Formats: sequence, structure tokens, C-alpha cells
Amino acid sequence: GENVEQHPSTLSVQEGDSAVIKCTYSDSASNYFPWYKQELGKRPQLIIDIRSNVGEKKDQRIAVTLNKTAKHFSLHITETQPEDSAVYFCAAGRNTGNQFYFGTGTSLTVIP
Amino acid sequence: EPEVTQTPSHQVTQMGQEVILRCVPISNHLYFYWYRQILGQKVEFLVSFYNNEISEKSEIFDDQFSVERPDGSNFTLKIRSTKLEDSAMYFCASGSGAGPQHFGDGTRLSIL
Repeated sequence: GENVEQHPSTLSVQEGDSAVIKCTYSDSASNYFPWYKQELGKRPQLIIDIRSNVGEKKDQRIAVTLNKTAKHFSLHITETQPEDSAVYFCAAGRNTGNQFYFGTGTSLTVIP
Repeated sequence: EPEVTQTPSHQVTQMGQEVILRCVPISNHLYFYWYRQILGQKVEFLVSFYNNEISEKSEIFDDQFSVERPDGSNFTLKIRSTKLEDSAMYFCASGSGAGPQHFGDGTRLSIL
């Protein structure tokens, strides 16, 4: 089955700096890669996703890059704000209808 | 914006008892999922349901677990003979199959 690894497990940045979270996956059949943000005690919320036919996707301060050859994808958050503080999970799946395999999460703290 | 709703938000049960966790997926979604998250760990897939049958299940989803869509709106997870290690947050998710999975707020299950 798929194995998704995520690094780092914790990340602290100063407000205004950038944050980068990296994930690798093992199953070459995975084609869909969502990123979820989870605040304490709340549901995981989709923040951005990317499909394997594109290498990069951007939505305001958030961007995701995908290297399908190397089987890794990354989340980039620019101009971080305190409200970006949360746990971020990457995931991989064969398509949107199949199960998602989640990474172990990155706890991001943005220091004002 | 439509949301996945889950009840109850917190369930406390004696070990060995049966519990039923309830979910109302987003109304036009066709794919339904249960995931669980043990405290401080990653989100783990349990089961997916499509066209009134299980489409995928993980190793976690053994004979202790069952799912049902008893009517046109509810999607339930039944856990029989609960064990201490079943204590976790259980998330229901739904999707159209063409887009991302949307998660509910979860049910925190505590087994005593």
C-alpha cells in the first residue's frame, strides 16, 4: 500500500516568513495530493490540492509543488500569519474517490 | 456552504459495549468515508462506501466494525465490543468522486 512521509513534524517561523512542509509517497499510482489544515479539536479542512498532471498550483499565499518522478510534493506558505498556526497534513490517493493516505502531520507555529 | 455533520460530538462508552456513530454527508455526494485519528497521531482510513456497498476498507476495519446507510441521508459506523484502543476521534467524510473529500467535525470516542 501507499506510505506517505511528512517532514518536519514541528515548524516554528516568525510572522511574515515562509514555511515549507515536504511529503514523499511510495505508490506511483497515486495521482491526487490534497493538503489539510487542522486546528486543535477541529475537522481537517482542505486548503489546496494538486493532481498529477500539473507540477505546481497556487492560491494566494499557499502553493503546492509536485515532483512525480521523485514522488515528493511540498506545501509553501508565504507571508505567514499567526492564524496559519495549526497542524498540516499531506495526503495521497489514486484519485479523489479512493481512500487517502495521510502523512503524520506538521505542527506549524507562527510567532508574532 | 454545505457541511458534513456528525453526532454525537463526544461519546463515552464502557468497554465491551456497542456504539453507533452517525454522519450526514453533503447531500449531493456519492462517496462516503470513515477515518479515525488517535490523539496526536495521523488520520487513518477505515472504510469507503459507494453505491450502497463498501468499496475499500483498511486492515483496521475488521469484523468489529460495520457501516450502513439506513436511509437517504445518514451514514453510520457501528463498533461492536469496544476496546480501550478504539478510543479516538472518528471523522466522517464525503465526496463527489470528482473533487476533494470534505470532513465533518468528528466524534470523540472515549472507551472506559
